[in-house]
Amino acid sequence: GNSVTQMEGPVTLSEEAFLTINCTYTATGYPSLFWYVQYPGEGLQLLLKATKADDKGSNKGFEATYRKETTSFHLEKGSVQVSDSAVYFCALESGGGADGLTFGKGTHLIIQP
Amino acid sequence: DSGVTQTPKHLITATGQRVTLRCSPRSGDLSVYWYQQSLDQGLQFLIQYYNGEERAKGNILERFSAQQFPDLHSELNLSSLELGDSALYFCASSVGEGGPWETQYFGPGTRLLVL
Repeated sequence: GNSVTQMEGPVTLSEEAFLTINCTYTATGYPSLFWYVQYPGEGLQLLLKATKADDKGSNKGFEATYRKETTSFHLEKGSVQVSDSAVYFCALESGGGADGLTFGKGTHLIIQP
Repeated sequence: DSGVTQTPKHLITATGQRVTLRCSPRSGDLSVYWYQQSLDQGLQFLIQYYNGEERAKGNILERFSAQQFPDLHSELNLSSLELGDSALYFCASSVGEGGPWETQYFGPGTRLLVL
């Protein structure tokens, strides 16, 4: 079956530091990959996505590249801000929509001023 | 604001009871999905409805059921509640049948506490 593995954290960084949150996956077929963000007390918001190998998703300074050879979709940002503090979820959707989204456990990111 | 609405925001009930959670999708979206977020299980897909019909089923317990109405809103019914059903329940919607090319937009969630 499908599965997503990501570091759970919490990950604590200083403002303006470089961020990497690792995500690897196991899936049947050719999944699409997503990063969702959950701010305190809110629902999930789509941050970025990639639908095929070597695609790069980007949004709000965050980037992730779909690496089929390493089954990875690591999230990166060059310079984080306090406002980036949230929980980040890596997710996949495999063909046909039969399984809904499969999520990782989430990574709690804390940015200190 | 994703455009997906969920009511109620919070719900406190007792073991053995039954509750109904409601979701209104974004305007024009035909699919509704239900997810459960708990500390031990993380975020799990429960069920998807597309244009009134069940489309996909995940880890949904037999005590739970859902439906989607002609106006496309959906309800998730949870019965014979147990302490372990305490969780955040999210609804999401997408424009079509679902699948890897569609984006799911999430509502703010309903927090259920079973005492």
